[in-house]
Amino acid sequence: SQQGEEDPQALSIQEGENATMNCSYKTSINNLQWYRQNSGRGLVHLILIRSNEREKHSGRLRVTLDTSKKSSSLLITASRAADTASYFCATDPNTGNQFYFGTGTSLTVIP
Amino acid sequence: GAVVSQHPSWVICKSGTSVKIECRSLDFQATTMFWYRQFPKQSLMLMATSNEGSKATYEQGVEKDKFLINHASLTLSTLTVTSAHPEDSSFYICSAIPFVGSEAFFGQGTRLTVV
Repeated sequence: SQQGEEDPQALSIQEGENATMNCSYKTSINNLQWYRQNSGRGLVHLILIRSNEREKHSGRLRVTLDTSKKSSSLLITASRAADTASYFCATDPNTGNQFYFGTGTSLTVIP
Repeated sequence: GAVVSQHPSWVICKSGTSVKIECRSLDFQATTMFWYRQFPKQSLMLMATSNEGSKATYEQGVEKDKFLINHASLTLSTLTVTSAHPEDSSFYICSAIPFVGSEAFFGQGTRLTVV
């Protein structure tokens, strides 16, 4: 399969709590990106982390990358109802220029 | 950020007809464009990678004769779904990158319904 795996598949939390999503991939990569998708809409780029980086922050988002384990995590702190969406990781394998998406995590933040 | 425009945003067509979807990078030249397909509640599946002036590279299992991709310029790629059938109904999304290793910019997506 071209896809990476994400877990959990679905996550439901209360507003204000933190949400953590994990992504595992199969091949060595140039970079890994996280995207958000509201139901039936296009994708919004959240953050890009390069293979030589281990952690990156952007506002309430924190992304880690462990290339030895071929895994990444996305942490959303102090979640809001507006964070409700599907979140996908996408990898750019260094054997080519394609972007492959993980299976996605559906996040629901309950007000 | 950079803008990628996809048109149309939704289309309904009759079975057996062809549908063309356009993907334009509005404020940058895209060395590479990608076409994805997404079924409800599923992830995006890469269909093909398109480089300007050359033939598209299709992923395994994607019929190149059914999904025709043309990348005529550095700012425009088109996907034509030929002889569409109801099972082709899906959400199609394009993306474009200005250079290797950059963030990918996505179009708004096209919801295709074949009746």
